[in-house]
Amino acid sequence: NAGVTQTPKFQVLKTGQSMTLQCAQDMNHNSMYWYRQDPGMGLRLIYYSASEGTTDKGEVPNGYNVSRLNKREFSLRLESAAPSQTSVYFCASSGAVINQPQHFGDGTRLSIL
Amino acid sequence: RKEVEQDPGPFNVPEGATVAFNCTYSNSASQSFFWYRQDCRKEPKLLMSVYSSGNEDGRFTAQLNRASQYISLLIRDSKLSDSATYLCVFSGGSYIPTFGRGTSLIVHP
Repeated sequence: NAGVTQTPKFQVLKTGQSMTLQCAQDMNHNSMYWYRQDPGMGLRLIYYSASEGTTDKGEVPNGYNVSRLNKREFSLRLESAAPSQTSVYFCASSGAVINQPQHFGDGTRLSIL
Repeated sequence: RKEVEQDPGPFNVPEGATVAFNCTYSNSASQSFFWYRQDCRKEPKLLMSVYSSGNEDGRFTAQLNRASQYISLLIRDSKLSDSATYLCVFSGGSYIPTFGRGTSLIVHP
């Protein structure tokens, strides 16, 4: 009954460090997404993958890269972390980008000092 | 006009009250509509889809008004456990789903 699984749940980085956030779904969904959520800002889409083998930029892609490793997994990489990237990161998946509800992981809380 | 607009609230209501939120959208190509619930520091969870004819799930009723381009969520007999932030989402046409910033609901004893 896992749904969408994100790792790690918490992370503290120093400015300039790199890290990869992992996301996996077991619902056989085609589409996957990465969001960040900051206080008062709502969910902002970083990148999404409509289907295996494709990725597209969302609203706030700068400073991030993604990899759709296979149908199940979609990772988010911060190459050189900055304090402005301190946020809660949510991964989500859906059957399709259009007209299908998204299911979310429980988030990664990332602090960059 | 923003793509999706929600009154951030908070809506502060007593237990047992009926409360309603609206969410307006600007893209007339929107085809699918959803309400999500998000508890503090938790992930958003799908509450219900919104169908053209309106739909009900227990104490929750969702409606769509295409002419005025908004959806609504009505909660009857509010419970303390209904306290959360409610997010609306629009999808359709050729664009990716768009989330509103959410409406905060506080139900007090």
